[in-house]
Amino acid sequence: GAVVSQHPSRVICKSGTSVKIECRSLDFQATTMFWYRQFPKQSLMLMATSNEGSKATYEQGVEKDKFLINHASLTLSTLTVTSAHPEDSSFYICSARGAANSPLHFGNGTRLTVT
Amino acid sequence: QKEVEQNSGPLSVPEGAIASLNCTYSDRGSQSFFWYRQYSGKSPELIMSIYSNGDKEDGRFTAQLNKASQYVSLLIRDSQPSDSATYLCAPFILTGGGNKLTFGTGTQLKVEL
Repeated sequence: GAVVSQHPSRVICKSGTSVKIECRSLDFQATTMFWYRQFPKQSLMLMATSNEGSKATYEQGVEKDKFLINHASLTLSTLTVTSAHPEDSSFYICSARGAANSPLHFGNGTRLTVT
Repeated sequence: QKEVEQNSGPLSVPEGAIASLNCTYSDRGSQSFFWYRQYSGKSPELIMSIYSNGDKEDGRFTAQLNKASQYVSLLIRDSQPSDSATYLCAPFILTGGGNKLTFGTGTQLKVEL
């Protein structure tokens, strides 16, 4: 089955620093990757959609200058949380899709804690 | 009206019983529907996909879709304690900007011994 690898699984950083999260599709080419955020006991919230080689599309209320997304190849997308603050602490999950209308496959998520 | 509505639960069923999870969606343009299972602290994993009206069975799982009623459900037969998780309904919505998978808030299922 389709495998999506996400790293790191857990990161603790100090307020004001930046954190990069990687998402890779291991056995398929992901034309589109999605980044979600999930706070405890809440539903998944889509942050942005990225297509290989083009700028990401951000959901309303998500700061594009704070959450930098790069989708440089068909197998790799990165999310960089810049100048992280404690309120950015959350569970960040990437997902990838091959063909249009096919299901999303999720990475294992990254638990970010900003101190 | 929310795009995807699910009863948050918890839905409690005894071991061996059938668990029935329901979902309604607002966009008549939705063509593809997926059910994901999410254990606490973990990312979602795909259980079922369904694209046409009717039933689709895969092992202990059966997905049911009724596009006219904008309703999709998931039945879990012979429920096991390991099925205890949150189940997310996710229709794919075609928008001008492309496809967007929209998640419901999920139904928490508890299978009791």
